[in-house]
Amino acid sequence: GAGVSQSPSNKVTEKGKDVELRCDPISGHTALYWYRQSLGQGLEFLIYFQGNSAPDKSGLPSDRFSAERTGGSVSTLTIQRTQQEDSAVYLCASSLRGDRGKKLFFGSGTQLSVL
Amino acid sequence: GQQLNQSPQSMFIQEGEDVSMNCTSSSIFNTWLWYKQEPGEGPVLLIALYKAGELTSNGRLTAQFGITRKDSFLNISASIPSDVGIYFCAASDYGGSQGNLIFGKGTKLSVKP
Repeated sequence: GAGVSQSPSNKVTEKGKDVELRCDPISGHTALYWYRQSLGQGLEFLIYFQGNSAPDKSGLPSDRFSAERTGGSVSTLTIQRTQQEDSAVYLCASSLRGDRGKKLFFGSGTQLSVL
Repeated sequence: GQQLNQSPQSMFIQEGEDVSMNCTSSSIFNTWLWYKQEPGEGPVLLIALYKAGELTSNGRLTAQFGITRKDSFLNISASIPSDVGIYFCAASDYGGSQGNLIFGKGTKLSVKP
């Protein structure tokens, strides 16, 4: 596609349920990032994938959070046993292979609301 | 760990005024970037800077990579209502964690017509 695509755009779930958020990066982009943005706050790094290298998971807030990237393209962020504090916008971004300039292209995000 | 201190946190200005915001750190970086986020959207890249002392313009926007490599500023001249949004600085040193990219906490800009 022309840009980074995220789905769903909005997700409302009940506390304790699992959710899956999807990111489809720009074709040819091998680097993929997930960020979390709470209301009115900055970008909180979650996880980074680069090609076939082991992902940088240093930003995942707890073991309830996990992400995978299949075939070097689509990525899924999974939150298990959701809590109210997980409510936020989850942003995905991608960049070109070897782009040391780190020019990220962001999707529009998934607004997650945990009731 | 590495942090970017972005200021001001928010600005309320009149249409036509010039705007200045900056980002500082105690760490040295090789790349500085400025992004703008509008409501309901992801951030969009405005300007990328790759060399200490570099001054780059994009329309009414001008950004500079500090000579010490520890800071950057963004200026917006003659602001208009569509400049409203949150402006984020970001920096990279090609190493470290977080995918080698650190973000500031943002400057929220409001413009009164």
